[in-house]
Amino acid sequence: DQQVKQNSPSLSVQEGRISILNCDYTNSMFDYFLWYKKYPAEGPTFLISISSIKDKNEDGRFTVFLNKSAKHLSLHIVPSQPGDSAVYFCAASRVNFGNEKLTFGTGTRLTIIP
Amino acid sequence: GAVVSQHPSWVICKSGTSVKIECRSLDFQATTMFWYRQFPKQSLMLMATSNEGSKATYEQGVEKDKFLINHASLTLSTLTVTSAHPEDSSFYICSAREGAGLTDTQYFGPGTRLTVL
Repeated sequence: DQQVKQNSPSLSVQEGRISILNCDYTNSMFDYFLWYKKYPAEGPTFLISISSIKDKNEDGRFTVFLNKSAKHLSLHIVPSQPGDSAVYFCAASRVNFGNEKLTFGTGTRLTIIP
Repeated sequence: GAVVSQHPSWVICKSGTSVKIECRSLDFQATTMFWYRQFPKQSLMLMATSNEGSKATYEQGVEKDKFLINHASLTLSTLTVTSAHPEDSSFYICSAREGAGLTDTQYFGPGTRLTVL
């Protein structure tokens, strides 16, 4: 049962344009969401997060949008740069002290075309 | 930023042998460490959560007698795959969290590629 889904396994975007990565979840109890970036043969690195009390969080070129009613979140990267080429995972969790585990999506491979 | 290391980065072993993977937080003390496995083109699946000095909490479907986890100190956790079989071949990733809260960032290690022949 895949509770966090990233339906696009890959995405190609021209350098300088906006990259939009999407993520859907099914568990309405999730209330904290994160995006991670992963290069080959490396572990994921944290990018940005958002709590369910917000609908937008921005950090430099990265913005995460949350639509709770649609159980959907997206990561916007603008402008896209070649170094952004990587696999992006969204993750979700439920704040439950003592049991804050992350449920990951399957990832989207982003390729930035120079 | 915080650094988490894993050793070895890759290992090949014969079926029936045991393999130990180390996870270390290099510049911070990790109250909680997590072990994940990732199959090709699939998401990271949490195997277990361990807190220093206490028994690990395993996810449903993960055999605790097969995947032994020891969180001996605030900077070291080990995962031992006992009597490994080819179906255990996977990419194993650990993460470490300094604080006790969900919003404290998990820092991931680079992963260990296990191949069981």
